[in-house]
Amino acid sequence: KAGVTQTPRYLIKTRGQQVTLSCSPISGHRSVSWYQQTPGQGLQFLFEYFSETQRNKGNFPGRFSGRQFSNSRSEMNVSTLELGDSALYLCASSAGPPLGYTFGSGTRLTVV
Amino acid sequence: AQTVTQSQPEMSVQEAETVTLSCTYDTSESNYYLFWYKQPPSRQMILVIRQEAYKQQNATENRFSVNFQKAAKSFSLKISDSQLGDTAMYFCAFWDSGGYQKVTFGTGTKLQVIP
Repeated sequence: KAGVTQTPRYLIKTRGQQVTLSCSPISGHRSVSWYQQTPGQGLQFLFEYFSETQRNKGNFPGRFSGRQFSNSRSEMNVSTLELGDSALYLCASSAGPPLGYTFGSGTRLTVV
Repeated sequence: AQTVTQSQPEMSVQEAETVTLSCTYDTSESNYYLFWYKQPPSRQMILVIRQEAYKQQNATENRFSVNFQKAAKSFSLKISDSQLGDTAMYFCAFWDSGGYQKVTFGTGTKLQVIP
């Protein structure tokens, strides 16, 4: 069974630009969550989508947004990029808490 | 809000030895799930072991086992017969099984297995 697929793996953007990251969950998983991982802040929760609806949201500015499509694929968008947005962005899908998350390999975003 | 604390930022262990990583959490919930995830340098987060709060028996997965103390809100991970491939960051996670099902991660413990 295919795992969680995140694209692209690496991305370099310039300050002020915007970026869109993609995540395809495991087939049958309706929940998709996004995390930002940095050496200083650890894993920070961005948001969770379930059946195309945002169910939970972390404490990030409105520049960070996401959506989920009817096939459960999810995208997150960051507008007006700042240097501090440089991080590893992890996507995780789930069929519910007893089974936990399955993570993708992440997208490494570098803002220059 | 739930909090998860991993008090050991870094640890090292000799190959074939046993090491225990600590995790404590704070919650007012009675039903929840606890997880340990491993993130090797390749950066893929991998589920190591899970524990359901209503089960008193400690979970075990091959060389990995947990010591779950619900009253003390403690959830430590024991790795037996450590192998070089165990070198990774280890994250403890709390999953609230209530209405909002929020997940909280600890800050991680960097484990180095020394040959």
